[in-house]
Amino acid sequence: AQSVTQLGSHVSVSEGALVLLRCNYSSSVPPYLFWYVQYPNQGLQLLLKYTTGATLVKGINGFEAEFKKSETSFHLTKPSAHMSDAAEYFCAVSKIGDKIIFGKGTRLHILP
Amino acid sequence: DVKVTQSSRYLVKRTGEKVFLECVQDMDHENMFWYRQDPGLGLRLIYFSYDVKMKEKGDIPEGYSVSREKKERFSLILESASTNQTSMYLCASSSTPGTPNQPQHFGDGTRLSIL
Repeated sequence: AQSVTQLGSHVSVSEGALVLLRCNYSSSVPPYLFWYVQYPNQGLQLLLKYTTGATLVKGINGFEAEFKKSETSFHLTKPSAHMSDAAEYFCAVSKIGDKIIFGKGTRLHILP
Repeated sequence: DVKVTQSSRYLVKRTGEKVFLECVQDMDHENMFWYRQDPGLGLRLIYFSYDVKMKEKGDIPEGYSVSREKKERFSLILESASTNQTSMYLCASSSTPGTPNQPQHFGDGTRLSIL
C-alpha cells in the first residue's frame, strides 16, 4: 500500500529565509507525486506535480520539488519565503485507479 | 480553468437531520471525490465515483452515502447527521479514469457544523 509522511505538522520560517517542507513516500511502483497548497478558508490547489522525466519540478509561486528515488523523498523548497506563503501544504502520491493518497499536511508560518 | 463549485460554504444542521452537500464541476471530468478534512488528520476519502450512477467507498464511508445522477454533479448525503460529522468537506474532480498522473481539482469546501 502506498503512503505519504510529512515531517512536521507546523514549520516556521522568517520572511526571506529558505522554505523546506519534507515529504517521504512509500510505493511499490513508480509513483506520481504532487504538492498542494491550501490557503485559509479555501480548497486545495495544485502547486506542482512529478510524473516522469526531470526529477526537479518547478511549480507556481516560486516553489520547486525534487524527486529522489533513492531516498523516497519529494521535498518542497522555496529560496525566499514571503508572507503570502503562509498556508497549509499537502504532499500526495497517486496510485492505480486515480485515488490520491494525501499526507496529513504541514502548516507553514512566516515570521516577520 | 476547471471550476468545482460546492453549493454552501457554511452549513449548520441539527443532530438527526438528513443533510445534502452538493458539488458541480464544469470540465466534463469522469472522476469525482468527496473528502472530509479534520485538524491533524489531513484529508480522508469518503466516497468517489468514476462514472454516472457509479460509486465506490473510500476509507471512511460509514454514515454517508452519495448520488451521481449526472456527470457534472456529485452529492454527499449524511443520512442522520451526528456531532462527530462536524467537519470541513471537500469535493474534487479529475479527468479520465486510469490516468493516475492527473491531479485533482478542488472546490472551496463546505464547513459543516452539526449541533
